[in-house]
Amino acid sequence: QVQLQESGPGLVKPSETLSLTCTFSRGSVSSGSYYWSWIRQPPGKGLEWIGYIYHSGTTNYNPSLKSRVTISIDTSKNQFSLKLSSVTAADTAVYYCAGLNYYGPGVYNWFDPWGQGTLVTVSS
Amino acid sequence: QSALTQPRSVSGSPGQSVTISCTGTSSDVGGYNFVSWYQQLPGEAPQLIIYDVSKRPSGVPDRFSGSKSGNTASLTVSGLQAEDEADYYCCSYAGTSVLFGGGTKVTVL
Repeated sequence: QVQLQESGPGLVKPSETLSLTCTFSRGSVSSGSYYWSWIRQPPGKGLEWIGYIYHSGTTNYNPSLKSRVTISIDTSKNQFSLKLSSVTAADTAVYYCAGLNYYGPGVYNWFDPWGQGTLVTVSS
Repeated sequence: QSALTQPRSVSGSPGQSVTISCTGTSSDVGGYNFVSWYQQLPGEAPQLIIYDVSKRPSGVPDRFSGSKSGNTASLTVSGLQAEDEADYYCCSYAGTSVLFGGGTKVTVL
């Protein structure tokens, strides 16, 4: 059973870059069973998919965030990471990492497992 | 791409059934049988309760059921219990991305 954990700064200044890491307490980022994903949830609001990375390095991003997002993978450290540049207060959210299950290349459906989430506040 | 449309809230008494709708388009909900549903308890991460429109992961009570008609998917909670009070989100494959619904708060009266 894969278990994920997000980590990173809880406070980021406006215009700077938000950086988070998802580490595995169980399982491997090299597993081909998932697209490793980031999802966020602003306080009191709904979920928004940010993007994913496959163990091969293939990425896919939400078009609304694509210009500011980079997801990378580090197999030596068994982790994957999120960078979101030029942040504003609107980027304040709980950020989750999750495994996106898929049927075939580019055909995917459900998110499971999820990390517990980490709150990132954008404020000066 | 817009978020999928869910009612903001639904409520029911213990033992009753409630149904949450999730409306999209032919490019997402209507185009694929890849709709999933998540339960989010206060302060916790979302948890998968339905995938592939109507399949339940191991350990999810059969009180939870999913269906789809056209561009609208639905989650029904039968025999409502106090512990079912939570936020529920639908999610759909959309060809090259993933869309979530805005979420529905279920209140047990």
